[in-house]
Amino acid sequence: GAGVSQSPSNKVTEKGKDVELRCDPISGHTALYWYRQSLGQGLEFLIYFQGNSAPDKSGLPSDRFSAERTGGSVSTLTIQRTQQEDSAVYLCASSPPLGGHTIYFGEGSWLTVV
Amino acid sequence: AQSVTQLDSQVPVFEEAPVELRCNYSSSVSVYLFWYVQYPNQGLQLLLKYLSGSTLVKGINGFEAEFNKSQTSFHLRKPSVHISDTAEYFCALGGSNYKLTFGKGTLLTVNP
Repeated sequence: GAGVSQSPSNKVTEKGKDVELRCDPISGHTALYWYRQSLGQGLEFLIYFQGNSAPDKSGLPSDRFSAERTGGSVSTLTIQRTQQEDSAVYLCASSPPLGGHTIYFGEGSWLTVV
Repeated sequence: AQSVTQLDSQVPVFEEAPVELRCNYSSSVSVYLFWYVQYPNQGLQLLLKYLSGSTLVKGINGFEAEFNKSQTSFHLRKPSVHISDTAEYFCALGGSNYKLTFGKGTLLTVNP
């Protein structure tokens, strides 16, 4: 597709359930990022994938959060045993090789934990 | 450590007025600076970026920003705003690694 595609666009889940958020980056982009946008918190870096290298998971807030990227393309962010404080917009982004630090964002997955 | 401060959380202006959204940064390494815009219920769209070279950077939708190393600033300006510019604007800092550090955003509201 033309841009970074994320699904679902909206998700309401009950506290304690697991959720999966999917990201399809721009074709040809080797780098993929997940950020979280919470009210009053701005954007927080979660995780970064670059090609076949080990991902940088330094931003994941707890061990309930995990992400994988299959075949160097699609990525899934999984949140286990969701809590109300996990409610946020989860933004995926990608960048091309030699992208000059420019990253392109998807429209986000809005997660509400009730 | 890197940080970005957007000095105004909200900026209301009238249509056709000029606007400046302020951004200051802190970094001990070479910097790359970005402004992103987020329209309601949408993702972030890149407005402009400074990587090197000319300190005055022009972006989309008539916006421009000036990199000022001595003041550690990267303020965003537009000489005449439209209703459609109403959105949240984020300043971001990139350094020697791939991560971007974002400011908390400035909500620009353009009133008729």
